[in-house]
Amino acid sequence: KNEVEQSPQNLTAQEGEFITINCSYSVGISALHWLQQHPGGGIVSLFMLSSGKKKHGRLIATINIQEKHSSLHITASHPRDSAVYICAVGPQLGNTPLVFGKGTRLSVIA
Amino acid sequence: GAGVSQSPSNKVTEKGKDVELRCDPISGHTALYWYRQRLGQGLEFLIYFQGNSAPDKSGLPSDRFSAERTGESVSTLTIQRTQQEDSAVYLCASSRGQASNQPQHFGDGTRLSIL
Repeated sequence: KNEVEQSPQNLTAQEGEFITINCSYSVGISALHWLQQHPGGGIVSLFMLSSGKKKHGRLIATINIQEKHSSLHITASHPRDSAVYICAVGPQLGNTPLVFGKGTRLSVIA
Repeated sequence: GAGVSQSPSNKVTEKGKDVELRCDPISGHTALYWYRQRLGQGLEFLIYFQGNSAPDKSGLPSDRFSAERTGESVSTLTIQRTQQEDSAVYLCASSRGQASNQPQHFGDGTRLSIL
């Protein structure tokens, strides 16, 4: 079992729909990261959070530490949101690298 | 520039040749990471440098892979005697401070193709 599980693996939505991508993890963490990888390959860090909720534009990330679960929401989705969204966790064990989920491929259709 | 810079952006080479990939992190970022992403697959951790500490090499897939970093600046990833299975995009990232509780900034990657 992977330490970081994302769902769904693939998601197709109509423009304007509200989208939720889920991430569950099995280890204690210091922080959880959401990353976006566009079709051209570039990766951008969207959020880093260790509690509660963060919002940036139409993107919202939440985390429940007790349940070891995080969600990434996109409101009023747009075709330019089409990308792979990756969840990664930073384990609590000191100076260790991130553990990545396999990503969720999102396609938003106009 | 202000971001993480990788070179070359593309590299095509014959099986058995050695390749060297370069990463220039953001100035002031003490942590530097190398990842590999095979076609259609997720990110795979290779190696991690933090300041002057010994690097975490736990992700290197074989002894053909090695990496160096000069202080807190440029890093090079070297693959010796390349194999077709080494074909992938190699991504570098840097962050301020330690490991997992800092945002990582990614370069655009080097797309390596082994013929």
